Amino acid sequence: GQQLNQSPQSMFIQEGEDVSMNCTSSSIFNTWLWYKQEPGEGPVLLIALYKAGELTSNGRLTAQFGITRKDSFLNISASIPSDVGIYFCAGRTSNYQLIWGAGTKLIIKP
Amino acid sequence: NAGVTQTPKFQVLKTGQSMTLQCAQDMNHNSMYWYRQDPGMGLRLIYYSASEGTTDKGEVPNGYNVSRLNKREFSLRLESAAPSQTSVYFCASSEEGRGNGYTFGSGTRLTVV
Repeated sequence: GQQLNQSPQSMFIQEGEDVSMNCTSSSIFNTWLWYKQEPGEGPVLLIALYKAGELTSNGRLTAQFGITRKDSFLNISASIPSDVGIYFCAGRTSNYQLIWGAGTKLIIKP
Repeated sequence: NAGVTQTPKFQVLKTGQSMTLQCAQDMNHNSMYWYRQDPGMGLRLIYYSASEGTTDKGEVPNGYNVSRLNKREFSLRLESAAPSQTSVYFCASSEEGRGNGYTFGSGTRLTVV
């Protein structure tokens, strides 16, 4: 089946650092979605991207829909302790399937 | 607002037992979904229901059945649980079609021994 490659798998960063993660695919997507999951909870939508090249911000978060429609990245600026969690990308195909990345676990060193 | 409510939160089953996971949403969403989440594998779609009265298989439907009881409720049934079904199960709903932002429940952690 279709696969999304999400990297890195995990990140250990200092508070205040910027964070960058990305997803790539061999398939084209019509929509890219970025979610965050905290322990014991379901994923929560952070940003949705609907057009190739689109750059969208949500507070300290910025995500872009790649021009080729096969990739997307998420940046978090000036990370804070509450940013910890698992971040998932998801791509929507032309037949409305949602394909999920395996997640990036963000850990902030005290 | 409750959003998406899943019950139970935790469950331990013996191999061969059956159980039904319940999901209800109060957002008047048409589409509902069941996913399982396993370490390092992201979310995998088990079944979905695009609208009341319809259900379709997702990526990993084997060993599961679903019922879209009404617009609010979408249940997932394991007829004969197997250890491979040990996982965290999430229900989600969305406003229209698939691929728009989903609202997830807080999950059911199922262990089959």
